[in-house]
Amino acid sequence: KAGVTQTPRYLIKTRGQQVTLSCSPISGHRSVSWYQQTPGQGLQFLFEYFSETQRNKGNFPGRFSGRQFSNSRSEMNVSTLELGDSALYLCASSPGGSSNQPQHFGDGTRLSIL
Amino acid sequence: QQQVKQSPQSLIVQKGGIPIINCAYENTAFDYFPWYQQFPGKGPALLIAIRPDVSEKKEGRFTISFNKSAKQFSLHIMDSQPGDSATYFCAVVGAGSYQLTFGKGTKLSVIP
Repeated sequence: KAGVTQTPRYLIKTRGQQVTLSCSPISGHRSVSWYQQTPGQGLQFLFEYFSETQRNKGNFPGRFSGRQFSNSRSEMNVSTLELGDSALYLCASSPGGSSNQPQHFGDGTRLSIL
Repeated sequence: QQQVKQSPQSLIVQKGGIPIINCAYENTAFDYFPWYQQFPGKGPALLIAIRPDVSEKKEGRFTISFNKSAKQFSLHIMDSQPGDSATYFCAVVGAGSYQLTFGKGTKLSVIP
């Protein structure tokens, strides 16, 4: 069974640009969550989608947005990029029917802002 | 506020030793407590997880001990190997929230 797939693996952007990251969950998983990982702040929750609906959102500005498609694939968009957005962005998937189910991560997209 | 406090920040043990990583949480509404292992350049990989109705869970060389009254849980790695050298994260999930809240991580080094 294929794991969580994130594309692209690496991205370099400049301040003010926008970026879209993609996540394909494990087959059969309907919940997709996004996390930001930085050395200073650690792993922080961005948002979670289930059946194309955002169920939960973390404390990030509105420049961070996401969506989920009918096949459970998800995209995350960051607009007006800032230097502080440089991070590893991780996607996790789970079956989604209960909050105490395992969440499995992809290897992330490394975003660097110049 | 930091909902999950993880210690120590770093840990060095010799091969065969039993490293122990501890986490303490504040909110009693959490109902799922996983541990993740992360290697450089990779995403976190789920190691083992426990629910609050159980005090201990073992999977292979990994054991979680859970103390509900103290609001603490810990990871023990039996017979540690150099290949276990990685960063370990504890996390908590609130009932119905679907959000993982992570500790700050523990960098483990197992020396031959």
